[in-house]
Amino acid sequence: GQNIDQPTEMTATEGAIVQINCTYQTSGFNGLFWYQQHAGEAPTFLSYNVLDGLEEKGRFSSFLSRSKGYSYLLLKELQMKDSASYLCAAMDSNYQLIWGAGTKLIIKP
Amino acid sequence: GAVVSQHPSRVICKSGTSVKIECRSLDFQATTMFWYRQFPKKSLMLMATSNEGSKATYEQGVEKDKFLINHASLTLSTLTVTSAHPEDSSFYICSARGRLDYNEQFFGPGTRLTVL
Repeated sequence: GQNIDQPTEMTATEGAIVQINCTYQTSGFNGLFWYQQHAGEAPTFLSYNVLDGLEEKGRFSSFLSRSKGYSYLLLKELQMKDSASYLCAAMDSNYQLIWGAGTKLIIKP
Repeated sequence: GAVVSQHPSRVICKSGTSVKIECRSLDFQATTMFWYRQFPKKSLMLMATSNEGSKATYEQGVEKDKFLINHASLTLSTLTVTSAHPEDSSFYICSARGRLDYNEQFFGPGTRLTVL
C-alpha cells in the first residue's frame, strides 16, 4: 500500500533550526512535495524534489533520498510566522499526490 | 504562479439543503481538478479527481450521489454537496493541474462549510 509518515507535532525556538522528516512508500514515484498550511487556510507550495539531494530556497531547504524513501524539510532562522502545519506529499506513478497527516510546528519565543 | 479561486469562501446552510462550491483556474487551463476535504487538525483527504469533459473518479468511501462534481470547462469545476447534514461540515479545498506540468497542483483558498 501507499503510505506517508511524518511526526505529528514538533516544537522549536524562534531563531533556531528545525528538521521535519518524512518517509514514503508509493506505487511509482514522481517527486516529493512539501506544503505549508496555516490554520483555516489552504496549503501553499514550498518545495519539490524529484532527484536525490538538497534543494535550498532561502530559509527553507528540502532533501530527498529516493533509495531510502526519505525526505526532510529544513527551516532555518525560525520566525513566529513559521508556526504552521507542514505537509509532506509524494506523487505516485499516476501523478496522484499521496498526503502525509502533516506536522504541526510550534515556534516558541 | 498559477491562481485558483474558490467561491464561496465560507457558507452556512441548513440541514437538507444543497450547496455548490465553485473552483476556477484564473490564468491557466486546468485539465485535471482535485477536490479535497479536511477535518480539523487532519491532513487532506482526496475526495475525487475530475478531468475536463469526463466523469469524476471518486475515492473509496466517497458517495457519488452525495458529492456531485462537474468539470464542464477547462477553467471551472463545481462540487455540490446534496442534502447536506451536520457531518458534512468541513473545509473543502480544490486544486488544479494544467496540461503542461503534471508535477504541480495549485490550490484554491478553500471553502468552510457549516451545516446547521
